[in-house]
Amino acid sequence: KAGVTQTPRYLIKTRGQQVTLSCSPISGHRSVSWYQQTPGQGLQFLFEYFSETQRNKGNFPGRFSGRQFSNSRSEMNVSTLELGDSALYLCASSLESGGRNTEAFFGQGTRLTVV
Amino acid sequence: AQSVAQPEDQVNVAEGNPLTVKCTYSVSGNPYLFWYVQYPNRGLQFLLKYITGDNLVKGSYGFEAEFNKSQTSFHLKKPSALVSDSALYFCAVRPTAGRRALTFGSGTRLQVQP
Repeated sequence: KAGVTQTPRYLIKTRGQQVTLSCSPISGHRSVSWYQQTPGQGLQFLFEYFSETQRNKGNFPGRFSGRQFSNSRSEMNVSTLELGDSALYLCASSLESGGRNTEAFFGQGTRLTVV
Repeated sequence: AQSVAQPEDQVNVAEGNPLTVKCTYSVSGNPYLFWYVQYPNRGLQFLLKYITGDNLVKGSYGFEAEFNKSQTSFHLKKPSALVSDSALYFCAVRPTAGRRALTFGSGTRLQVQP
């Protein structure tokens, strides 16, 4: 079974621009979550989608948004980029949103650098 | 609110010796607990989980973890460390009910010396 696929792997953007990151979950997984990883803040939850609906949202400004498509693929968008948005963005998929089969399987991440 | 503490930024151990990476948690109600490993420039790789039942959980690559409810701990262990185990290890928790998001600890860097 193919793992979680994130594209692109690396991205350099300028302050004020917007960016869209893509995530393809493991086949059959309907829950997709996004996390931001930085040296200072560690791993922080952004949001979770299940069956095209946002189930949970972390404490990030409205510039961060996401969506999930009917095939469970997900995109994350950050508008009006700031230098502090530079991070590794990780997508994770799991079989269920709740219940016991909720271990998350992570992609390799997208390294976003804002200059 | 839930939280995870990994008190050691780094753990050093000699190859062949047993290793322990510590984790304590705080959560309302019963927890689901997880351990992940991260190699340089890679995503997180799932090692093991505690859902319910036996307090000793076995996972991938010879790792195991012991759930201790009274001490709210979930320490990661391995009987004999390998140099290839050197990586960044994260403990994570989420409640069995309510908010589904994982809360991660700050990570512990494991360095296994030959």
